[in-house]
Order: sequence, then C-alpha cells, then structure tokens
Amino acid sequence: AQKVTQAQTEISVVEKEDVTLDCVYETRDTTYYLFWYKQPPSGELVFLIRRNSFDEQNEISGRYSWNFQKSTSSFNFTITASQVVDSAVYFCALSVPLSYTGANSKLTFGKGITLSVRP
Amino acid sequence: GAVVSQHPSRVICKSGTSVKIECRSLDFQATTMFWYRQFPKQSLMLMATSNEGSKATYEQGVEKDKFLINHASLTLSTLTVTSAHPEDSSFYICSASLVLGDTQYFGPGTRLTVL
Repeated sequence: AQKVTQAQTEISVVEKEDVTLDCVYETRDTTYYLFWYKQPPSGELVFLIRRNSFDEQNEISGRYSWNFQKSTSSFNFTITASQVVDSAVYFCALSVPLSYTGANSKLTFGKGITLSVRP
Repeated sequence: GAVVSQHPSRVICKSGTSVKIECRSLDFQATTMFWYRQFPKQSLMLMATSNEGSKATYEQGVEKDKFLINHASLTLSTLTVTSAHPEDSSFYICSASLVLGDTQYFGPGTRLTVL
C-alpha cells in the first residue's frame, strides 16, 4: 500500500519569505510517480509537477523548486519569495503504474498543507 | 493543453432528486477518468475509476447504486447522484488521465448542496 504524509497542516508566512512544504511517501514499488498539486480557494486542483522514481534530479521552475530524495523518501517543495497569490492548499500525491504499460492508476494524496501568505 | 471541464459548477437541489455532473476532457482523449469527493478542509477521497466503454471501479464503501458513473466516450464521463440527501452535499471533482503517462488533470469541481 502507498502512503503520503504531509506533516505540516498550516503554514503562514509574510510575503517575500521562502517557504518549504514537506512530503514524505511510502511505497514498496520501485517504479512510482510523485506529484504536487495546488488548490486555490476557487477549488480547482492545478498540476504543478510530476517526477518519476528514476529521476532524482531537482527541478526549478521560476520561484518553485522541488527536492526529490529517495534516501529519505521525501519530495519537498520550496517557494522562493512567496507572494499572496501562492496562498492555497498544496497536495503531494503518489501513484504506482498498474502494469508494464504504465496504465493509469490511482493517486494517493497527502492531507494537504494550507499555505497563507500575508502581505 | 490538458484542460478538463466540469458542469455544473454549483448545484442546489431538494432531497430525493437526482443530480448529474459532467466531466469533459477538452483537448485530449482520456481513457481513464476519476471521480473524487472532498469535504471541507480535507483531502480528496477517490470514489471511483472510470474507463471508457467499461464499468466503473468503485472504491470500498462507495455505493454503486447511489453514485452512477458512465464513461460513454473518450472525452466525457458523468456522475449521477441518485436520490440525493443532505449528507451527499460535498465538493465533487473529476480528473482525466492521458492514455499513457500517469498525470491526472483535474476539473474545476462541482459544489453540490442538497436541501
């Protein structure tokens, strides 16, 4: 069985601060995918990143960066110079391919982290 | 790309009526669509996985006769909440997944309120 733990429930920062959202996962499978989604107050989940288990390279996209470390089963997300528009709930998720073809499988979500960025 | 729409965005109905929610992938074909339910300040709970042309696979504890899912084409899946009751009030979100690859793209959600 898969499990995703987001130990932080709520984080509040002042604009321009850097903030790191933690994600720890559990799976026995060697092939898996990790995701981050953003859910703003409007409710729609916005896809941010997908990382497969064989690619441990860190990724940077603008103010966003992700640190994937298999040794600690973590996939942390850092927002640099946070802005008010970053206020949202952030979900980390894990999926394991159902078959050799990588057919679509279920996502296991963490409980989410509510980030509030104050002006 | 990878846009998913849901309709309606918000619905209020009387207890005992049935409500249909549509989920469409607008710019890609989705062999698999997923339906989730989300309670306030909680994570998403998967209700069922819907594959085009076949019966949906429901998660444990989800009533098949209560939540009817139809995936008639590669771009459309529908969720019908039959004989809705106040406890069915929730935020329902669908997602669609490309044929190969494992990224789910989510719709904007439907807020159902049953009076």
